[in-house]
Amino acid sequence: GAGVSQSPSNKVTEKGKDVELRCDPISGHTALYWYRQSLGQGLEFLIYFQGNSAPDKSGLPSDRFSAERTGGSVSTLTIQRTQQEDSAVYLCASRGVASQANYGYTFGSGTRLTVV
Amino acid sequence: ELKVEQNPLFLSMQEGKNYTIYCNYSTTSDRLYWYRQDPGKSLESLFVLLSNGAVKQEGRLMASLDTKARLSTLHITAAVHDLSATYFCAGGTIRGAQKLVFGQGTRLTINP
Repeated sequence: GAGVSQSPSNKVTEKGKDVELRCDPISGHTALYWYRQSLGQGLEFLIYFQGNSAPDKSGLPSDRFSAERTGGSVSTLTIQRTQQEDSAVYLCASRGVASQANYGYTFGSGTRLTVV
Repeated sequence: ELKVEQNPLFLSMQEGKNYTIYCNYSTTSDRLYWYRQDPGKSLESLFVLLSNGAVKQEGRLMASLDTKARLSTLHITAAVHDLSATYFCAGGTIRGAQKLVFGQGTRLTINP
């Protein structure tokens, strides 16, 4: 598609439930990132996928968080046993190849997760 | 580990005035990015600065990079209300995960 697509745009869930957030990157972009934007916390790196390489999971805050990327395209971020502190906007970004002039990252519109 | 700090974090100014947002970073960063975020919206890419002395301009916004001082600036000229938004700078590398490290953001309010 023309941009990075994320779904759902909003998700309200009860504490303790599992949620799945989806990201569909720009076609042809091999790199995909998940970030979390919490009120007062800024933008926090969660996980990075590059092609078929093992993902960089160094930003995942706990083992309740996991992500996968199937077929080098769509990615799903899963949060198990959600807690109220998981409430945030989850942003996905994809990036083109280094040869591109601006080597830019394109962000999706995000999923606003509210845990009640 | 790269750390990025912006200042000010909040800025309220009048239309027609000039101002500058500062972005300091702690270690070598191969690229410096500026993004704009409107309330409830995602991040819109403004500038990518690739080398020392780089200067880019788009309308009333101008960004520059001084890699020796580890400083980038975003200068706003003759501000207009439509520029009200939160502005983020981010450092990035061309090695490893190439992930972006963001500053805290500067919430800019321009009053008519």
